[in-house]
Amino acid sequence: EAQVTQNPRYLITVTGKKLTVTCSQNMNHEYMSWYRQDPGLGLRQIYYSMNVEVTDKGDVPEGYKVSRKEKRNFPLILESPSPNQTSLYFCASSLYPPPTDTQYFGPGTRLTVL
Amino acid sequence: KNEVEQSPQNLTAQEGEFITINCSYSVGISALHWLQQHPGGGIVSLFMLSSGKKKHGRLIATINIQEKHSSLHITASHPRDSAVYICAVNLGNQFYFGTGTSLTVIP
Repeated sequence: EAQVTQNPRYLITVTGKKLTVTCSQNMNHEYMSWYRQDPGLGLRQIYYSMNVEVTDKGDVPEGYKVSRKEKRNFPLILESPSPNQTSLYFCASSLYPPPTDTQYFGPGTRLTVL
Repeated sequence: KNEVEQSPQNLTAQEGEFITINCSYSVGISALHWLQQHPGGGIVSLFMLSSGKKKHGRLIATINIQEKHSSLHITASHPRDSAVYICAVNLGNQFYFGTGTSLTVIP
């Protein structure tokens, strides 16, 4: 089944404890992206990747890192999480970069930083 | 600041009603997307538009590039259409999103 998977789905952690949220797609998509969703602010793009080893900042990259060593995986790294990073995170992918294709979204990861 | 504005924020309709959700944007874009977020949180892409009109079943999306405006219409609405509908635009390789329209369709 074609899909985007994220792990973990739920995570509660404490300030400063490094964490990684994994994202994987099985559709050989070139474009992958991370978003956070907050009440009243909607979805905002954190980082995106046009292809392997090509990543770029979105609208809200501060406090996050990403890597794209393989086409299928695009992990989101929070090296020193803070409470303002408590949010619902979505990974998404598309076969080609925008504007030529629609995105497939992962199920979301709900992160709470205490 | 938000390049993408949606209206209304909340919408309640009776089953069978014709529904319109609007999206306005302030800058030149390469494409516009309509997304549906289910009550469980999952997000699905409904349409990608760069001009004109697209139709899938009871859903119709239109875009007017000159006026920087798009509409999503739902004909013969049904309770299963209850969801949050999100407008997004592409500026280059990036996405910018509206804050969503929460639709509730009452049987």
